Amino acid sequence: DVKVTQSSRYLVKRTGEKVFLECVQDMDHENMFWYRQDPGLGLRLIYFSYDVKMKEKGDIPEGYSVSREKKERFSLILESASTNQTSMYLCASSLRGRGGYEQYFGPGTRLTVT
Amino acid sequence: TQLLEQSPQFLSIQEGENLTVYCNSSSVFSSLQWYRQEPGEGPVLLVTVVTGGEVKKLKRLTFQFGDARKDSSLHITAAQTGDTGLYLCAGPSRRTYKYIFGTGTRLKVLA
Repeated sequence: DVKVTQSSRYLVKRTGEKVFLECVQDMDHENMFWYRQDPGLGLRLIYFSYDVKMKEKGDIPEGYSVSREKKERFSLILESASTNQTSMYLCASSLRGRGGYEQYFGPGTRLTVT
Repeated sequence: TQLLEQSPQFLSIQEGENLTVYCNSSSVFSSLQWYRQEPGEGPVLLVTVVTGGEVKKLKRLTFQFGDARKDSSLHITAAQTGDTGLYLCAGPSRRTYKYIFGTGTRLKVLA
């Protein structure tokens, strides 16, 4: 059974703190993604990675960075958390390739920045 | 720009009713995925359709991919309260590693 896990389900942080969100997949997938989901805005891509140490900016990368040191692990970093980064964060993974490969999602991390 | 539009946006029905949700685009997709997302959880993959005209069944759920691979539908027979959730369609972008997500249909099934 495919599995994507995220380090926390709920997180509360203060403005200005550095926040780490971790994602691990056990499917040997090459591609990994970080999204945020907000009411009325749908899923928006923050960053994705198609290989170890490789990353590309998504649609809303400002205020975020990522790290992929191992194939199974993809971390999202909020360098200095702000209240407008309060959101549901979703990690996903997929096989490499541009057609026919579905994404599998983790359970999400609900981050609140106060 | 590839876009996926879903309709209806919201749907509230009684248990036992049938319903259809649509996912439409003006672009061709190599495949489309359907997900269900419950509140506070991540989207769960229901099905992938790949071939134009393909029909897939998952218990009471029937998924169809349009002949031209530009649209898809999800039909639920005899809806149950457990079907409540946000239904998302998605497909891989032609040019990048990104995925295009539909706008979503929020379904509520009342007992």
